[in-house]
Amino acid sequence: NAGVTQTPKFRILKIGQSMTLQCTQDMNHNYMYWYRQDPGMGLKLIYYSVGAGITDKGEVPNGYNVSRSTTEDFPLRLELAAPSQTSVYFCASSYTTGGSYEQYFGPGTRLTVT
Amino acid sequence: DAKTTQPTSMDCAEGRAANLPCNHSTISGNEYVYWYRQIHSQGPQYIIHGLKNNETNEMASLIITEDRKSSTLILPHATLRDTAVYYCIVRVVVAAGNKLTFGGGTRVLVKP
Repeated sequence: NAGVTQTPKFRILKIGQSMTLQCTQDMNHNYMYWYRQDPGMGLKLIYYSVGAGITDKGEVPNGYNVSRSTTEDFPLRLELAAPSQTSVYFCASSYTTGGSYEQYFGPGTRLTVT
Repeated sequence: DAKTTQPTSMDCAEGRAANLPCNHSTISGNEYVYWYRQIHSQGPQYIIHGLKNNETNEMASLIITEDRKSSTLILPHATLRDTAVYYCIVRVVVAAGNKLTFGGGTRVLVKP
């Protein structure tokens, strides 16, 4: 299993541009998440999904959109990028029944908006 | 989810045990204690979790006080690769979305 994969690893955007951060997991997890992490800070939840076709807002959803058309994929869309969205973005997934309910994280996408 | 309090940073010697404290005085009866760590620039990694009893796995041990208001993560023989930020998280398992709330964590530096 590849686990949780994210693309791209790095990206520089100009103010006002748009982009989609890709996230794929091959563990057949129902739950998926997007977090952002600003320098020196903990992670903050942007959006999450409890299954295909179902998404919900987290702590900091403004400026972002998500969709979940398949179990495997959970892309994060940035519209009209702003410098405040400069951050490292992590995608994660987890089991929903049994086990430890631990979340598995991807390697992150480092985004700079200038 | 209950709030947690952790020291900002701590050092420990390579080969020695590292004891990481966490206070969660407002924890509810159905809330678990989870520990994750984040090695520089990588995604967080699950370490261990528990409800009431002490737990041990191949990575660490978790000691939870009888009143459940605090816990300690123990790395039995710290190595340089254990240098990371360690997050203590308290949450209800099987709550809507199974979400995690990350605080500031403890920055652990393992020294040779």
